[in-house]
Amino acid sequence: AQTVTQSQPEMSVQEAETVTLSCTYDTSESNYYLFWYKQPPSRQMILVIRQEAYKQQNATENRFSVNFQKAAKSFSLKISDSQLGDTAMYFCAFISAGGTSYGKLTFGQGTILTVHP
Amino acid sequence: ETGVTQSPTHLIKTRGQQVTLRCSSQSGHNTVSWYQQALGQGPQFIFQYYREEENGRGNFPPRFSGLQFPNYSSELNVNALELDDSALYLCASSLLAEYSPNYGYTFGSGTRLTVV
Repeated sequence: AQTVTQSQPEMSVQEAETVTLSCTYDTSESNYYLFWYKQPPSRQMILVIRQEAYKQQNATENRFSVNFQKAAKSFSLKISDSQLGDTAMYFCAFISAGGTSYGKLTFGQGTILTVHP
Repeated sequence: ETGVTQSPTHLIKTRGQQVTLRCSSQSGHNTVSWYQQALGQGPQFIFQYYREEENGRGNFPPRFSGLQFPNYSSELNVNALELDDSALYLCASSLLAEYSPNYGYTFGSGTRLTVV
């Protein structure tokens, strides 16, 4: 069974600064995907960034980037130039890449990020 | 793209009753999953439907059941409601295919269920 751990229940950052959210996971599989989702007060889970385990290059999406360390099973999210709209709960999630029958997303406990003006 | 829509947004039921939650998947998506999210927690996987058949289930009792229809809309049914069933229920859809990358799931805004 897979587990995802987010050890930071809450984080805060000043507007325009950089913040890093931590995530570790445990799996015996070699092929999988990792995601960061953002959940604002509107409740909708929004995909922020995605990483394929077989790719060594870290994924980036505009102000969002990840530091993927496969051997250490670590997957942190860096948010640069933080904006007030980044305030939300952030979830790290894992999914096996084993075909269409492996559709279960396993989520961490979440990190509440507050961006202060 | 129409996104994922869920109804109703809020619901209050009495312990022992039955409830049906509905989800309309994003156009073209062949897979729908349901998650239960307790307050302040990460979502927990209930089950997934792929092409109208259940092909994955989490640690939830049989009183949690579902359906996926040919138009890819979906229902989550919960029988004999318990107080602990109070949570946000999220529906997520995706386009999955063998040997293709998983581009992630599109989530709805959820149904907040309160059992009293």
